[in-house]
Amino acid sequence: QQQVKQSPQSLIVQKGGIPIINCAYENTAFDYFPWYQQFPGKGPALLIAIRPDVSEKKEGRFTISFNKSAKQFSLHIMDSQPGDSATYFCAAINSGGGADGLTFGKGTHLIIQP
Amino acid sequence: DARVTQTPRHKVTEMGQEVTMRCQPILGHNTVFWYRQTMMQGLELLAYFRNRAPLDDSGMPKDRFSAEMPDATLATLKIQPSEPRDSAVYFCASGSGTSGGAHEQYFGPGTRLTVT
Repeated sequence: QQQVKQSPQSLIVQKGGIPIINCAYENTAFDYFPWYQQFPGKGPALLIAIRPDVSEKKEGRFTISFNKSAKQFSLHIMDSQPGDSATYFCAAINSGGGADGLTFGKGTHLIIQP
Repeated sequence: DARVTQTPRHKVTEMGQEVTMRCQPILGHNTVFWYRQTMMQGLELLAYFRNRAPLDDSGMPKDRFSAEMPDATLATLKIQPSEPRDSAVYFCASGSGTSGGAHEQYFGPGTRLTVT
């Protein structure tokens, strides 16, 4: 059972464009939603995270939008650059559930063309 | 610059051999996770420890996989005997937190395992 569904699987955007990656979750007990960025040959790196008590969070050029009623959240990258080309993973966790492991989406392979 | 370290970075072995992967978590972090990444399944949680005690290993094939944390600076993941389907990248991650969860998890560079 895939508890976090991520789309699209791959995405190509021109430099300066705004790629948008979407995730949907099923478990309403999830209460922390991080995004990870992974470059080839590297481990995932925490990028930005949000809790469901806010609808939006910005850190630099990265923005998470959160829709609790729809059980969806998305990552926007403003003024995208070729250096943003990477695989992005959304994840979720139920912080009060006693289980600390992250449930990951399948990932989005993002290419920013110069 | 604190970071999670993993050894070896690459491992090629034959089916049936024992494989041991090691992880040094970030100093002061009390929670350690093992994840496996494959093209088909993505990132999957295998096991994790808090304060060196195993809390969940339900994601791990118990007949061949074992995870231990001999001390606060070392976590190990062992596969015996290894099989070709174990080929994957194995990540260790660490975090700090209480029973409410180590939300911010920091990943190591991974061990790329190939079993022939």
